[in-house]
Amino acid sequence: DAKTTQPTSMDCAEGRAANLPCNHSTISGNEYVYWYRQIHSQGPQYIIHGLKNNETNEMASLIITEDRKSSTLILPHATLRDTAVYYCIVRRNNAGNMLTFGGGTRLMVKP
Amino acid sequence: GAGVSQSPSNKVTEKGKDVELRCDPISGHTALYWYRQSLGQGLEFLIYFQGNSAPDKSGLPSDRFSAERTGGSVSTLTIQRTQQEDSAVYLCASSLRGLQETQYFGPGTRLLVL
Repeated sequence: DAKTTQPTSMDCAEGRAANLPCNHSTISGNEYVYWYRQIHSQGPQYIIHGLKNNETNEMASLIITEDRKSSTLILPHATLRDTAVYYCIVRRNNAGNMLTFGGGTRLMVKP
Repeated sequence: GAGVSQSPSNKVTEKGKDVELRCDPISGHTALYWYRQSLGQGLEFLIYFQGNSAPDKSGLPSDRFSAERTGGSVSTLTIQRTQQEDSAVYLCASSLRGLQETQYFGPGTRLLVL
């Protein structure tokens, strides 16, 4: 699976949009971009995933650049409960089935 | 149920004792995974079950670790003769068919071996 690079930490004001970037310059054509988050002392939570089109669900939006070498997870109105470590992962269709998390971005939402 | 459930949520045991951790996957999900996560670390894959196929045990760290999945649903992870380095959060995840399918995680079991 392609390697991803994320900032170590970010701050966001409550009520504002949180934009979390991820670089995956070595992504290949059949790899999906997945985002998970892990709130302190909880299991990882799936957020969203996409292949090349932008995606939106009730939690977030995923913007993937046209060359697919980077993406941005957008939490449109961050709340204090969104404080967590956010993991960007790329996975091949025919890869092994396990997930591997890198360092992720520690998002701190402040009042 | 609505999500993956795990029990117990916390387990404290003495070195050398055996422990059993339980996972109830999302109803209808055929794939089930066990991971562990040490404090401040990433996920470590342990074992994967897909339907009636032989499980992928390639991540089990030693022969003290074993897992079974009865009836294609509930899974039990057993750690025999626990050691202090086994202390971690043990996470279970399930997905609809495996491979590229999205994995949904349970809350984890926090194991502390004294």
